Formats: sequence, structure tokens, C-alpha cells
Amino acid sequence: DTEVTQTPKHLVMGMTNKKSLKCEQHMGHRAMYWYKQKAKKPPELMFVYSYEKLSINESVPSRFSPECPNSSLLNLHLHALQPEDSALYLCASSQEADYYEQYFGPGTRLTVT
Amino acid sequence: DAKTTQPPSMDCAEGRAANLPCNHSTISGNEYVYWYRQIHSQGPQYIIHGLKNNETNEMASLIITEDRKSSTLILPHATLRDTAVYYCIVRVDIPGRRALTFGSGTRLQVQP
Repeated sequence: DTEVTQTPKHLVMGMTNKKSLKCEQHMGHRAMYWYKQKAKKPPELMFVYSYEKLSINESVPSRFSPECPNSSLLNLHLHALQPEDSALYLCASSQEADYYEQYFGPGTRLTVT
Repeated sequence: DAKTTQPPSMDCAEGRAANLPCNHSTISGNEYVYWYRQIHSQGPQYIIHGLKNNETNEMASLIITEDRKSSTLILPHATLRDTAVYYCIVRVDIPGRRALTFGSGTRLQVQP
């Protein structure tokens, strides 16, 4: 199984809402990632977890709060977002944080109203 | 970070080889070149990577020049399903900071 799953596929939320994105992999990978992708732009790295610990935070605003409850699961908690946060949020995993090949999920399309 | 330069778009006829160039003139000696692609409405997909030598797998071939300042991804027999944005990435080789930084990529359109 080389699949990374993400839920929900689409999410619309108001600026005062609190929501969470979920990502799951069952490949035994020990590194997991969150990327943000705006329309017609390349993915931008947000966070890296290695062995369930946050290893890279690319100066992401605190309204985005990642969580890695176990090695298979990665969450991104959202609170007080702005309309400019509307984007495709991609999750990825790899065997180790330094490993070459990352497997990406299909993404969650987020719209902030 | 070693930056990459790619043409914004290319066309290729179905069944022909697609040759996608990438310039990475500031690459360091221990930095790898990766290629990913992103088909519309999907997450990026790993294709291939290399350091110095040419590499081949079931998807593509990667040709890296001897001075390592540029590389070419070759899809030997392009199909319509290869229409995608192709990203050439140089992975920063700093312990604790090894991460992929995507550039703007090349939008490959395979024509029937």
C-alpha cells in the first residue's frame, strides 16, 4: 500500500471557524509533511515531522497548528484563517526525513470565506 | 539553496520522446537532483533522482551533465497521461534542513 489519504477532499470554512485536516499513511514511514499550494504555483513546504516530532516549521503563522499523534497520522488544525489561506493543502510522507522519495496525498482544497 | 531554471511550458507529440531541461548552475557537490510531476488535481509524484551519473527507471531517464550544472529528464515514449507540470528540484543538503523546494516547473502538454 503506497497510498497517502487525506480528508476531507474539500473544506469551506469561515474566518472564525476551527477545523482540522487529516492525513494518514500505512507505509511505515517515519517522516510526514504539510505543503501549501496556491493556484498555478508550486507546493510550498510548511512543516516536517520526523519520528512524530516537529523538525521543520517554515515560519508558518500560528493559526496553522500541526499535530502528529502517531507515526501514521498527521493533522493540521486551522483557526481564525484568512481568505488568502485558501489553497490546496498537501500531505506527504517518506521513509525518513532525509529519504529521497516522498509520497503525496491528493490534497484538501480549502476555501476560507 | 541551489535554484533551478526550467522552461515554463513545452509541447510533445504522443509517442515521441519528451526531453525536459533544467538548469541548476549553483548546485553543490553533494546536492541531489530530483524530478517530480504533478498531474492536474493530484498530488506531486516522484519520478527519479540522481547525483552524478545518469539514471533510468521504469518511468524516465535522467541525464546529468558532467559539470552537474544542468540535467534533462527524458520520457521515452510520451503518452497523453504524461501531460503534467514537471518539477526539477535540488535538495538542500544541510543536516536537519533537508527538504524539497519546488520551483515553478515546466508544464508539458502531450499532443495527440
